[in-house]
Amino acid sequence: GAVVSQHPSWVICKSGTSVKIECRSLDFQATTMFWYRQFPKQSLMLMATSNEGSKATYEQGVEKDKFLINHASLTLSTLTVTSAHPEDSSFYICSASGDTPYEQYFGPGTRLTVT
Amino acid sequence: GEDVEQSLFLSVREGDSSVINCTYTDSSSTYLYWYKQEPGAGLQLLTYIFSNMDMKQDQRLTVLLNKKDKHLSLRIADTQTGDSAIYFCAERTGNTPLVFGKGTRLSVIA
Repeated sequence: GAVVSQHPSWVICKSGTSVKIECRSLDFQATTMFWYRQFPKQSLMLMATSNEGSKATYEQGVEKDKFLINHASLTLSTLTVTSAHPEDSSFYICSASGDTPYEQYFGPGTRLTVT
Repeated sequence: GEDVEQSLFLSVREGDSSVINCTYTDSSSTYLYWYKQEPGAGLQLLTYIFSNMDMKQDQRLTVLLNKKDKHLSLRIADTQTGDSAIYFCAERTGNTPLVFGKGTRLSVIA
């Protein structure tokens, strides 16, 4: 299957700082990218959907000013957690789909810990 | 809204078959998926099935779809310890985002 990478794999930051997470599709052009959040032993919660070159569509309850998403190219999307708080600590997973939209591939995830 | 339900736990002996079940509510679901998540990792797409199919087999994996009952199952033949993971069922309609179940934790006993 297609490969999606995320960077960093894990990050620890202080409360009040901002953290950027990168998501790259390595061997296909991702017309749509998705950002999910997963709490321990829970399912994935969709945060937002982004199409290349346009603004992201955020799910209800997700603050767009806090979770900034940029999908500037067909292979890269970034999620920036601004003014992070301990409650933002979570596992963030991106996924991407390309020309075959029913095939959606996931990155390995980024574990964010805010102290 | 759409809902996807799965049992939370399944325990099987190594070498036996595992069957993980899933039900969904959206009758207009177009695609149904099974993903595998190992500890601390992202989701690995195992297989998917279109709603106009009844069955799909890929090596040790068999997916059965009963569209009338909105029931999807994943059978893993000759289950190995490396199959221990959380398995997520998901559905989507057209280009809408995936809707996930809560995941079934499969434990394989040697």
